[in-house]
Amino acid sequence: AQSVTQLDSQVPVFEEAPVELRCNYSSSVSVYLFWYVQYPNQGLQLLLKYLSGSTLVKGINGFEAEFNKSQTSFHLRKPSVHISDTAEYFCAVSEPWGAQKLVFGQGTRLTINP
Amino acid sequence: DTGVSQDPRHKITKRGQNVTFRCDPISEHNRLYWYRQTLGQGPEFLTYFQNEAQLEKSRLLSDRFSAERPKGSFSTLEIQRTEQGDSAMYLCASSLIGTSGRQETQYFGPGTRLLVL
Repeated sequence: AQSVTQLDSQVPVFEEAPVELRCNYSSSVSVYLFWYVQYPNQGLQLLLKYLSGSTLVKGINGFEAEFNKSQTSFHLRKPSVHISDTAEYFCAVSEPWGAQKLVFGQGTRLTINP
Repeated sequence: DTGVSQDPRHKITKRGQNVTFRCDPISEHNRLYWYRQTLGQGPEFLTYFQNEAQLEKSRLLSDRFSAERPKGSFSTLEIQRTEQGDSAMYLCASSLIGTSGRQETQYFGPGTRLLVL
């Protein structure tokens, strides 16, 4: 079974500052890794994903994440945040075969202050 | 491609009533998933279909819950005799499984928010 831990439930940052949202996972098999964003009262939108290959993954809206197999981490970063980045961010894993259902972390609420 | 749609977006019901939600996936997608998200938590897997076959159900899915996907297109999720603990956001996602057996991305709908009074 897999599990995901998002180490920060809330992250407040100032506009134009850099941000890192931390994600650690546990799995006995290889996994696919995802970051989704959820704006208020909306569904989830894919930011980026790691399936294989380069460990540095670039996504939409200027976000990127790095897969670190030895530390079982997949932290999300953005060099300069904007007010519109205020949202809930979810890290998720899935097995690359079978049901491939997503297992999500508890979420990190990113608040951007002007 | 209009994305995944869900109906209704909001539902308020009284305890003991039955409710039904609908999900329309992206047209060519053969997989459809249901998740439940309670306040302040990440989504949790409920069940999934490949075409019209329901292949797995979570232990979260009690006997009061039933899901269908007739003809492998839209899906419905019914909750019978609703309880206050059923209050949550119900999310639908769809994906395409190719001949390799691997999917890459699940696309989510906007969700149905259920409030049981």
